[in-house]
Amino acid sequence: GNSVTQMEGPVTLSEEAFLTINCTYTATGYPSLFWYVQYPGEGLQLLLKATKADDKGSNKGFEATYRKETTSFHLEKGSVQVSDSAVYFCALSDPTGGFKTIFGAGTRLFVKA
Amino acid sequence: DAEITQSPRHKITETGRQVTLACHQTWNHNNMFWYRQDLGHGLRLIHYSYGVHDTNKGEVSDGYSVSRSNTEDLPLTLESAASSQTSVYFCASSEGGGNTDTQYFGPGTRLTVL
Repeated sequence: GNSVTQMEGPVTLSEEAFLTINCTYTATGYPSLFWYVQYPGEGLQLLLKATKADDKGSNKGFEATYRKETTSFHLEKGSVQVSDSAVYFCALSDPTGGFKTIFGAGTRLFVKA
Repeated sequence: DAEITQSPRHKITETGRQVTLACHQTWNHNNMFWYRQDLGHGLRLIHYSYGVHDTNKGEVSDGYSVSRSNTEDLPLTLESAASSQTSVYFCASSEGGGNTDTQYFGPGTRLTVL
């Protein structure tokens, strides 16, 4: 079946450090891939997405590239800020799964000033 | 601006009581979803709907029900609340265009079952 695996947290970084959160997936079809972010006390919101192999999604300085050969969609940011502290969810939506979205367990990021 | 709202934001109830959580969206989206979020489990799908009068079970549907009588609302009912249903519940909607859809989430309802 379809699944998403992302690195366990929490991840603690100093401001301006480089961020990588790993995400790998298993899917039977050709999924779209997403990163959602959840700030404290809020619902999830879309951060970026990629809908086909080799696409790069980007937003607010975050990037992720859809790698079909390694079934990965790692999230990166060159210089994190305190305001990036949140929980990040990798997700996929596969047409063979009825367009439902499958979420990873989430990775909590703490950024220290 | 279009939005998705949930009510109540916090609820405390007792074991065995029936509880209904409301979800209302003004996006005019076809698809609506209910998830629960628990530490270590991420988001798990409870029920979902692809349109009026359509409902489907997700991976953790036991003890929950939904009905979709209009486009805007998908209330979630816990028939007889159990302590294992203490969780944070999120409603979401999407346009229904396919697997590239973005889901839009409500702010969540924190439910405690004593």
